[in-house]
Amino acid sequence: KAGVTQTPRYLIKTRGQQVTLSCSPISGHRSVSWYQQTPGQGLQFLFEYFSETQRNKGNFPGRFSGRQFSNSRSEMNVSTLELGDSALYLCASSSGQSDTQYFGPGTRLTVL
Amino acid sequence: AQSVAQPEDQVNVAEGNPLTVKCTYSVSGNPYLFWYVQYPNRGLQFLLKYITGDNLVKGSYGFEAEFNKSQTSFHLKKPSALVSDSALYFCAVRDHASGGSYIPTFGRGTSLIVHP
Repeated sequence: KAGVTQTPRYLIKTRGQQVTLSCSPISGHRSVSWYQQTPGQGLQFLFEYFSETQRNKGNFPGRFSGRQFSNSRSEMNVSTLELGDSALYLCASSSGQSDTQYFGPGTRLTVL
Repeated sequence: AQSVAQPEDQVNVAEGNPLTVKCTYSVSGNPYLFWYVQYPNRGLQFLLKYITGDNLVKGSYGFEAEFNKSQTSFHLKKPSALVSDSALYFCAVRDHASGGSYIPTFGRGTSLIVHP
């Protein structure tokens, strides 16, 4: 089975711009979660989608949003980028609530 | 509420020696516990998990972890370290209590450095 894929792998944006990141889960997995990883804050949960519905949400401002499509692929959008949004954004998929999460390689976002 | 602590930012070990990466947790119900490894500029790779049953869990690449309920710990171990084991290791916990979060909480990570 193919693993979790994320595109693009690297992005460079400037402050004020917006960005959309994409995640394709493992085939058959319906849950997709997004995390932000930074050296200072570690791994922080952004949100989780299951069957096109946001099921859980972390403590991030409304500039961070996401959605999930009927094929379980998910996108994450960040509007009005700030320097502090520079991070590795990780997507993880699982088959259900009680299952293990499997992570993609991440998208490295740099905001200048 | 659920939480997890990795008390060591960095662990140094010589190649061939046994290694231990520590993890303690706090949950109100029964824990689901996970270990992941991350290599530079990569995502997290699943190593092993404890759900129920045997306290000693065996995982990928020769790693194992021991669940200790009385000490609320889930330390990662390997009998003989390899230089290629050098990476960042994350412990995660999820509370299986009714009403518990289905989203795991991750520790801050422990950098394992294996010296030749």
